[in-house]
Amino acid sequence: ETGVTQSPTHLIKTRGQQVTLRCSSQSGHNTVSWYQQALGQGPQFIFQYYREEENGRGNFPPRFSGLQFPNYSSELNVNALELDDSALYLCASSLGPGDDSPLHFGNGTRLTVT
Amino acid sequence: GNSVTQMEGPVTLSEEAFLTINCTYTATGYPSLFWYVQYPGEGLQLLLKATKADDKGSNKGFEATYRKETTSFHLEKGSVQVSDSAVYFCALSDRTGGFKTIFGAGTRLFVKA
Repeated sequence: ETGVTQSPTHLIKTRGQQVTLRCSSQSGHNTVSWYQQALGQGPQFIFQYYREEENGRGNFPPRFSGLQFPNYSSELNVNALELDDSALYLCASSLGPGDDSPLHFGNGTRLTVT
Repeated sequence: GNSVTQMEGPVTLSEEAFLTINCTYTATGYPSLFWYVQYPGEGLQLLLKATKADDKGSNKGFEATYRKETTSFHLEKGSVQVSDSAVYFCALSDRTGGFKTIFGAGTRLFVKA
């Protein structure tokens, strides 16, 4: 089975720009969660999508937005980039939104904002 | 809100040493508890989980017991190997405002041959 894939792997943007990160979920998974991981920290929950609807959101401003497509792949969009947005962005898919379904993570997208 | 606190690293051990990585949590209700591991160059992956008090999760020689009375979920392994070198994350499920998994800051483990 194909695992979770994220693109691009690395990205450099300038403050104020917009960015779109992409995630293909593992085969058979209908739920995608996005996390931000700063250097030396644990992943911080951004939001989760279940069957194309947002199913929970962490403490991130509205300039962080997302989509899930009918094939369950997903996008994370960040507008008006700030220097503090520099981080590793992780996508995780699961069989469902509950805790009976472990998260399967991709390798992440490293975003640098200058 | 719900949170996880785990011991700071790095932890450096010799091969075959005993490992403990401490994890405590703050939560309302009865969350499920997890340990995830991130090997060098790889994505995070679930190591083990426990869904209720006194449950013991185990995998690859690692164990952790859900202790409700001490709100802890310490990770242990009797004899570590060089291949266990990784970053370990304690986590819990949070069902408020939609389901999510909350992670600790991670503990890096180095095992020397």
